[in-house]
Amino acid sequence: NAGVTQTPKFRVLKTGQSMTLLCAQDMNHEYMYWYRQDPGMGLRLIHYSVGEGTTAKGEVPDGYNVSRLKKQNFLLGLESAAPSQTSVYFCASRAGKINTGELFFGEGSRLTVL
Amino acid sequence: GQQLNQSPQSMFIQEGEDVSMNCTSSSIFNTWLWYKQDPGEGPVLLIALYKAGELTSNGRLTAQFGITRKDSFLNISASIPSDVGIYFCAGQGNTNAGKSTFGDGTTLTVKP
Repeated sequence: NAGVTQTPKFRVLKTGQSMTLLCAQDMNHEYMYWYRQDPGMGLRLIHYSVGEGTTAKGEVPDGYNVSRLKKQNFLLGLESAAPSQTSVYFCASRAGKINTGELFFGEGSRLTVL
Repeated sequence: GQQLNQSPQSMFIQEGEDVSMNCTSSSIFNTWLWYKQDPGEGPVLLIALYKAGELTSNGRLTAQFGITRKDSFLNISASIPSDVGIYFCAGQGNTNAGKSTFGDGTTLTVKP
């Protein structure tokens, strides 16, 4: 079972460059989330989506944009990367109406901004 | 926003010892979840708690949902080397989208 798949796994950017992280889930989940993980700071919510075509800001949305054009995909974009965006990014999904509250995570995407 | 205080930040224990970690919140949660993260992977759910006072076990793991709904703890009994990792607590409130607020994690090291 694929579950939640993130691409790419690793990326190095120069300041000012742009990129998109792709998250794909095959569990037909309604809700999808993007988190960033920094040492000693746990997981912080960047943006989330409660369904196809909808997105909303999380705790730390500045500098990021997202799109959910298809139910199974949730894209995270950096328009002009900054060193402060060096982090490990995790995508997660969750069932909608009937669920246990459990988030299913991808393996993470490690981004370094020079 | 909601904040979770998770402690301890790290633990170094001998194999066979018991472990206890906890989370406290400034807000009430309806659901408490405990996750484990292995190196290079995403967090995986260990235990979910849905009612105040609930005590739930999963093998050597036991977790409780605090009566005040503002805290939770996780115990690991008879630790083994594969327990190494980062443990996160997460709380979900009664809002749409079921957003989870995560603690900063407890890094567990088990010495054989």
